[in-house]
Amino acid sequence: GAVVSQHPSRVICKSGTSVKIECRSLDFQATTMFWYRQFPKQSLMLMATSNEGSKATYEQGVEKDKFLINHASLTLSTLTVTSAHPEDSSFYICSASPVLSGNTIYFGEGSWLTVV
Amino acid sequence: ILNVEQSPQSLHVQEGDSTNFTCSFPSSNFYALHWYRWETAKSPEALFVMTLNGDEKKKGRISATLNTKEGYSYLYIKGSQPEDSATYLCALTNAGKSTFGDGTTLTVKP
Repeated sequence: GAVVSQHPSRVICKSGTSVKIECRSLDFQATTMFWYRQFPKQSLMLMATSNEGSKATYEQGVEKDKFLINHASLTLSTLTVTSAHPEDSSFYICSASPVLSGNTIYFGEGSWLTVV
Repeated sequence: ILNVEQSPQSLHVQEGDSTNFTCSFPSSNFYALHWYRWETAKSPEALFVMTLNGDEKKKGRISATLNTKEGYSYLYIKGSQPEDSATYLCALTNAGKSTFGDGTTLTVKP
């Protein structure tokens, strides 16, 4: 079946550095991918919509200059957490839908980010 | 802001018990509802996509119903097995964007 691969699964970085998380659709093309994060004991919350070849759309309260999203191809979206701080420590997960698939959604495995 | 609520938050049952969870959501502007099964360190696995009021779907021992007029969906597991232990998420989806509930964590004891 269709697979979305997310990398890295876990990353620890120092405060002030930047971290890049990749989301790849392995056997389908996706013009749109979605980035979510989950803080402890909270639900998954949509951060932004990643659009292939154009700017991402950010949800209210999500800083676009801090969470840089690039969707340069139909199979890859990247989320870069810039100047990371401990409060950015969270679980980040992406999803993607094959083009013309209707309501079919596939998720990556998620990435645990710890900023120390 | 959509409010998707799931209950109970957690559930412990014995192997062989049948169980069910609830997902509640605003009944207006409904497009689609997804149920996912999420095991630790794995991707959420889609169980069902439901779009029509009155939908009933079944996959093996797991089934789901949908009532869009009153804003709820039920997920049923018949004869729970230890391998059913996971967090079950529901999400309202529109154009690929999902609003999730907090999930129900099921633990099935052998």
